Amino acid sequence: QKEVEQNSGPLSVPEGAIASLNCTYSDRGSQSFFWYRQYSGKSPELIMFIYSNGDKEDGRFTAQLNKASQYVSLLIRDSQPSDSATYLCAVNRNSGYALNFGKGTSLLVTP
Amino acid sequence: DVKVTQSSRYLVKRTGEKVFLECVQDMDHENMFWYRQDPGLGLRLIYFSYDVKMKEKGDIPEGYSVSREKKERFSLILESASTNQTSMYLCASSFTGSRAPLHFGNGTRLTVT
Repeated sequence: QKEVEQNSGPLSVPEGAIASLNCTYSDRGSQSFFWYRQYSGKSPELIMFIYSNGDKEDGRFTAQLNKASQYVSLLIRDSQPSDSATYLCAVNRNSGYALNFGKGTSLLVTP
Repeated sequence: DVKVTQSSRYLVKRTGEKVFLECVQDMDHENMFWYRQDPGLGLRLIYFSYDVKMKEKGDIPEGYSVSREKKERFSLILESASTNQTSMYLCASSFTGSRAPLHFGNGTRLTVT
């Protein structure tokens, strides 16, 4: 099975800092990349998606994609305590429409 | 807003029972999925469906079956529940297309005793 790898963390950053979350994937045929946020006891919610190499910005969030290195990252600027959650990286499967998920990185933003 | 509704938030069943988990989406999505999520194992795909009456096995289909009689409804069936099926079950739906994100329901936390 194609894999999506993330550091489990926890990643701890002070309030106001930039949080950097990383993800690597093994399937070179993958075309679509998603970041989900999951609060404890809740279901994943989509926060960003990216399809092309480079950066994509949405408010305080920036997704970065490097297909040659098979690497996706999520930057959260001006981190807030409410950003404390587990962040899941997801990659489309080469066949079909399901997504493969990483195990998630736990982010803790300390006041 | 996409709404994916799972019928139960918490469920407690006994070993050997037949268990039905229901999921309904209101966005006319073609695709529906069932994942389970366990600590340390992440989200794993159980079954999925791209059309009514169509179903495909995911990565861990053993001990499960599914039913999709209507486009908006996708049911997960545990034929004979076992303790190792204690988990968080997440239903998701999406439009067709490799760029379509998945939208998740609130999840059903199933405990099998």
